[in-house]
Amino acid sequence: AQRVTQPEKLLSVFKGAPVELKCNYSYSGSPELFWYVQYSRQRLQLLLRHISRESIKGFTADLNKGETSFHLKKPFAQEEDSAMYYCAIKVDSSYKLIFGSGTRLLVRP
Amino acid sequence: GAVVSQHPSWVICKSGTSVKIECRSLDFQATTMFWYRQFPKQSLMLMATSNEGSKATYEQGVEKDKFLINHASLTLSTLTVTSAHPEDSSFYICSVGGRDLYEQYFGPGTRLTVT
Repeated sequence: AQRVTQPEKLLSVFKGAPVELKCNYSYSGSPELFWYVQYSRQRLQLLLRHISRESIKGFTADLNKGETSFHLKKPFAQEEDSAMYYCAIKVDSSYKLIFGSGTRLLVRP
Repeated sequence: GAVVSQHPSWVICKSGTSVKIECRSLDFQATTMFWYRQFPKQSLMLMATSNEGSKATYEQGVEKDKFLINHASLTLSTLTVTSAHPEDSSFYICSVGGRDLYEQYFGPGTRLTVT
């Protein structure tokens, strides 16, 4: 069965420190992975997807099929990065997404 | 991306009553919408996929007779929680499948409290 695991419920770092939010998945097919972010009192929104291989707000994520991981990284965290981050996998040919349990990132000044 | 609204944003109802939540795609014709449920400090759990003009597809464990979904137009899907109970209290979020097949656009959510 498809599954997304985010082992950390809370990640607290100081401003300027590197940050890595972990995501592991299990899926027998060819995965399509996403990171969604939810800032305080805002709706969930797409941060980045693995197929675009782009950097959004300084965040990058590389799909590692060998380790079945899609960790989200940023070299220098900013206070405005504080939010809930959800890793998600798209299954089959529909839009259906399976979400991880989320990681709350807290960037301290 | 698509702009998605939900109404109401917050509703309180008494146990045993039914409540309807609307999800509208304001600027995009959505053939597919999704309904999620989110308990406090937990992740989003997909409840059902709503397809315009056809019956919704429910996820395992979701009672279709309790959570009625209607997707009568390309811009509106409704979720009706029938005979609500306190355990139905949750945050209900809808999303719209985007044009490029890779992205979902989420509504702001509706907080349901059943007393």
